[in-house]
Amino acid sequence: RKEVEQDPGPFNVPEGATVAFNCTYSNSASQSFFWYRQDCRKEPKLLMSVYSSGNEDGRFTAQLNRASQYISLLIRDSKLSDSATYLCVVGLDNYGQNFVFGPGTRLSVLP
Amino acid sequence: SAVISQKPSRDICQRGTSLTIQCQVDSQVTMMFWYRQQPGQSLTLIATANQGSEATYESGFVIDKFPISRPNLTFSTLTVSNMSPEDSSIYLCSVDSENTGELFFGEGSRLTVL
Repeated sequence: RKEVEQDPGPFNVPEGATVAFNCTYSNSASQSFFWYRQDCRKEPKLLMSVYSSGNEDGRFTAQLNRASQYISLLIRDSKLSDSATYLCVVGLDNYGQNFVFGPGTRLSVLP
Repeated sequence: SAVISQKPSRDICQRGTSLTIQCQVDSQVTMMFWYRQQPGQSLTLIATANQGSEATYESGFVIDKFPISRPNLTFSTLTVSNMSPEDSSIYLCSVDSENTGELFFGEGSRLTVL
């Protein structure tokens, strides 16, 4: 079983739609969780950290379920500019050498 | 945040040759990371470059194939040695924020081996 798993998609949704991605992780000792965004032919950039209590940033909501070992990302009112690959990242701590990247979920928002 | 410059941004190389990728950070950092992203795949950590000591390699990566230098706290190089077409990939340099765990990446070096 891979350490971090995601549905690769692609998810093709119309503008304005709500879309949700899930990510599962295998190491129950994991302590840090993130969603990164990677545009085509660009480097990944942090979208948001995921906290135990869940967190929201505008149209984006991230949640963590430690019991079931998954994290989720919800995007409301999708924009064309949301089209990208969303990478789930899980770490044993906050040190970069202990992060594991998921394979990513590709999102295309259509006009 | 950190600003990271990588070069070359892309290159096309012949089988059997070696290529050195440079990474410059705009601030002093303890660790620098080298990742590989193969076509259609996610990121895999190759090694962690520490200033003043040898790099720490992840399982499946060895120093002979991917020698790394870290001469100071703002600079590192990764060499891809004796290249084969399987080495065609994007190589990314990264540093982390010691406060938040956020990773900052360079724009990547896209390598094609013929």
